[in-house]
Amino acid sequence: DAGVIQSPRHEVTEMGQEVTLRCKPISGHNSLFWYRQTMMRGLELLIYFNNNVPIDDSGMPEDRFSAKMPNASFSTLKIQPSEPRDSAVYFCASTVGTSLGEQFFGPGTRLTVL
Amino acid sequence: DQQVKQNSPSLSVQEGRISILNCDYTNSMFDYFLWYKKYPAEGPTFLISISSIKDKNEDGRFTVFLNKSAKHLSLHIVPSQPGDSAVYFCAARDTSGTYKYIFGTGTRLKVLA
Repeated sequence: DAGVIQSPRHEVTEMGQEVTLRCKPISGHNSLFWYRQTMMRGLELLIYFNNNVPIDDSGMPEDRFSAKMPNASFSTLKIQPSEPRDSAVYFCASTVGTSLGEQFFGPGTRLTVL
Repeated sequence: DQQVKQNSPSLSVQEGRISILNCDYTNSMFDYFLWYKKYPAEGPTFLISISSIKDKNEDGRFTVFLNKSAKHLSLHIVPSQPGDSAVYFCAARDTSGTYKYIFGTGTRLKVLA
């Protein structure tokens, strides 16, 4: 069975450029989460969707970040313009239901903004 | 303000001995707790969970203890094996809002052969 798929696995870009991260959740899962991992703050929830609808985006750092889920099998996280402090590993996770129980994480996208 | 704290960034343990990873939380509205394990270049994977109505949950070599009055949970691994070397995250479900999970900063466990 395919797990959560994220692309790209690595992204190196220059400050000011637009970055788009992509996620395909596990088929049948109806909740999708975007997290950011940094040394200082660990895993931070950025936003989560249930049935393609954003439920909580309180973790989105600022207006430069946006996320969409146009259908049940695809989500994007966009950063525009990117800044060096956005450098981190971004994870997508999915699960069935709203929140109870384990989430299944993708392998992550390592973003480096120069 | 970190609501879920893992105060030990790293821990080294000899193979065969017990590993104890700790996690403290501040919010009494947390009702469900999970531990995840993460290897390098991979996403976290679920390890074990505990509900706030319990004080212990065991799964093979892994046991999680919850002390609600102290707002503290711990993960015990007995016996520790080199394959257990990874970063461990604890997570708590916040029932005060949208029922999201709050993760800690992680503890890197190294099991020495």
